[in-house]
Amino acid sequence: AQTVTQSQPEMSVQEAETVTLSCTYDTSENNYYLFWYKQPPSRQMILVIRQEAYKQQNATENRFSVNFQKAAKSFSLKISDSQLGDTAMYFCASGGSQGNLIFGKGTKLSVKP
Amino acid sequence: KAGVTQTPRYLIKTRGQQVTLSCSPISGHRSVSWYQQTPGQGLQFLFEYFSETQRNKGNFPGRFSGRQFSNSRSEMNVSTLELGDSALYLCASSFVRQGGYGYTFGSGTRLTVV
Repeated sequence: AQTVTQSQPEMSVQEAETVTLSCTYDTSENNYYLFWYKQPPSRQMILVIRQEAYKQQNATENRFSVNFQKAAKSFSLKISDSQLGDTAMYFCASGGSQGNLIFGKGTKLSVKP
Repeated sequence: KAGVTQTPRYLIKTRGQQVTLSCSPISGHRSVSWYQQTPGQGLQFLFEYFSETQRNKGNFPGRFSGRQFSNSRSEMNVSTLELGDSALYLCASSFVRQGGYGYTFGSGTRLTVV
């Protein structure tokens, strides 16, 4: 069975500092994608960053970057210069092209002023 | 470009009733997938439709069904509601960008079964 594990239920970080959220996954797919989504209290799931598994280069999107270790099946998210607006639940997900994303249980991130 | 639109935002139903939720994907997106989010089980995949055909289905009972119309709008139906069906139901439409896939979610429908 495909699984995604986020081992940190909650984390906190001071504003302007850097934080890393962990994610490990297991999949039998050969061609898959990995995602980080953010869900603030408004409950809208917002795509933060995505990584194609066949690409070795780590994806970056402004202050967000990933450390993708394919052999270790690890996909961590680094948030630099944390902002108050980054406070949210963060979900790691893996999946293919047919909508069947497998999500982790989430990490609740609090950014403190 | 308008985002993914889900209606209604909130719904309260009684056990045993049935309910229909609607999802309009981003214009041009042909794939719509549905997820159930609960505090206990987290986010779970229900099913995915592409060009009016169900391509993939999660591990949910037959009371959960869906369909997709020719304009890509999708509906999901839950019959004989149970208390455990109370959840946030999210739909996502898929896009292809820079050769890769991504999923844009709607704001969800909060279903409460009493």
